Amino acid sequence: KQEVTQIPAALSVPEGENLVLNCSFTDSAIYNLQWFRQDPGKGLTSLLLIQSSQREQTSGRLNASLDKSSGRSTLYIAASQPGDSATYLCAVLKTSYDKVIFGPGTSLSVIP
Amino acid sequence: DTGVSQNPRHKITKRGQNVTFRCDPISEHNRLYWYRQTLGQGPEFLTYFQNEAQLEKSRLLSDRFSAERPKGSFSTLEIQRTEQGDSAMYLCASSQGLPPYEQYFGPGTRLTVT
Repeated sequence: KQEVTQIPAALSVPEGENLVLNCSFTDSAIYNLQWFRQDPGKGLTSLLLIQSSQREQTSGRLNASLDKSSGRSTLYIAASQPGDSATYLCAVLKTSYDKVIFGPGTSLSVIP
Repeated sequence: DTGVSQNPRHKITKRGQNVTFRCDPISEHNRLYWYRQTLGQGPEFLTYFQNEAQLEKSRLLSDRFSAERPKGSFSTLEIQRTEQGDSAMYLCASSQGLPPYEQYFGPGTRLTVT
């Protein structure tokens, strides 16, 4: 059974810092991994998707990496801003015909 | 492309009542997913459709829950005889039936059972 964990559960950093969010999954046989952002009381916004054959994806100040063999992904946020404050969730898709399994999320606060 | 939409955005109901939620996926997305999310947790999978076919249902989906997707377009999720434990955010997502199967989420329906 696939389980997804995220560390830390919460993180508070001063504005301008670079930071790393971690995601671990127990079954390395995945199809893709997706990082989402969720603002309080809102739906999820897709940030980055990494297919199993890829090692990383970048979008603006965000960079996500994937190491299938160790069951880990990281989301790197450069030069954090108060607007980055949100919950960040990772989710894995095992096969193209499977359901997505989410981690519990990391709540990020960027202090001005 | 207006994104995934969900209605209503908020629903307050009394225990024992039935409620129905609607999800309109991105046009031409043939996969549609329902998730439930409680405070401080990641979304939990409930069920998903490929076109009009319901391909998988979670054990979380008790007999009081039913989902439909007539004609493979919008979907409805009905909860019968609501219980306080059903209070949660109900999220809908859609994706194309093609790689990389990226999921796009709607804003959710917040259900409060009093």
